[in-house]
Amino acid sequence: DVKVTQSSRYLVKRTGEKVFLECVQDMDHENMFWYRQDPGLGLRLIYFSYDVKMKEKGDIPEGYSVSREKKERFSLILESASTNQTSMYLCASSFYRGRNTEAFFGQGTRLTVV
Amino acid sequence: KQEVTQIPAALSVPEGENLVLNCSFTDSAIYNLQWFRQDPGKGLTSLLLIQSSQREQTSGRLNASLDKSSGRSTLYIAASQPGDSATYLCAVRRPSNTGNQFYFGTGTSLTVIP
Repeated sequence: DVKVTQSSRYLVKRTGEKVFLECVQDMDHENMFWYRQDPGLGLRLIYFSYDVKMKEKGDIPEGYSVSREKKERFSLILESASTNQTSMYLCASSFYRGRNTEAFFGQGTRLTVV
Repeated sequence: KQEVTQIPAALSVPEGENLVLNCSFTDSAIYNLQWFRQDPGKGLTSLLLIQSSQREQTSGRLNASLDKSSGRSTLYIAASQPGDSATYLCAVRRPSNTGNQFYFGTGTSLTVIP
């Protein structure tokens, strides 16, 4: 079974802290994605990566950065957490091309910034 | 930009009924379409993936269809059960040179009443 694992299910951080959200996949997928999900707004893409050290901004990259030093790991960094970054964060991965481009998601991280 | 719409936003049915969830998208140049299920507070679970060249996919009591030219997909659930209660999301994948981005609908919240 494909596994996408996010490091924490629940996280509480203080305003101004630097926050790291980690995501690891075990299927050798090229593509990895970070989304946030908020009621009424659906899933919004923050950043995605198509290869090691390669990244592209999504729809809402402000206040976030990412790191992909190894193929299996994609980290989302909140440089200085703010209360409006309280949200559910979802990581996903998939192959880039071919017949088997199904996307797989992690279990989500519920982040609360106080 | 690709817009994905799911109607209705919420649906409540008695156990045993067959039901159809709808997904529409504005740009027919898609790579594939995927249906997901999301339980409260959890990540997304992949249900069915339809490639752009396919018309439908089946898995157990689920059948998904795709009409690319009209920008529509349906998810048919036969003989609904209380355990089917969840939010169902569709996502289309747009081809690109890098990440083949996903575009998500905001979901249909399904309640199956025992």
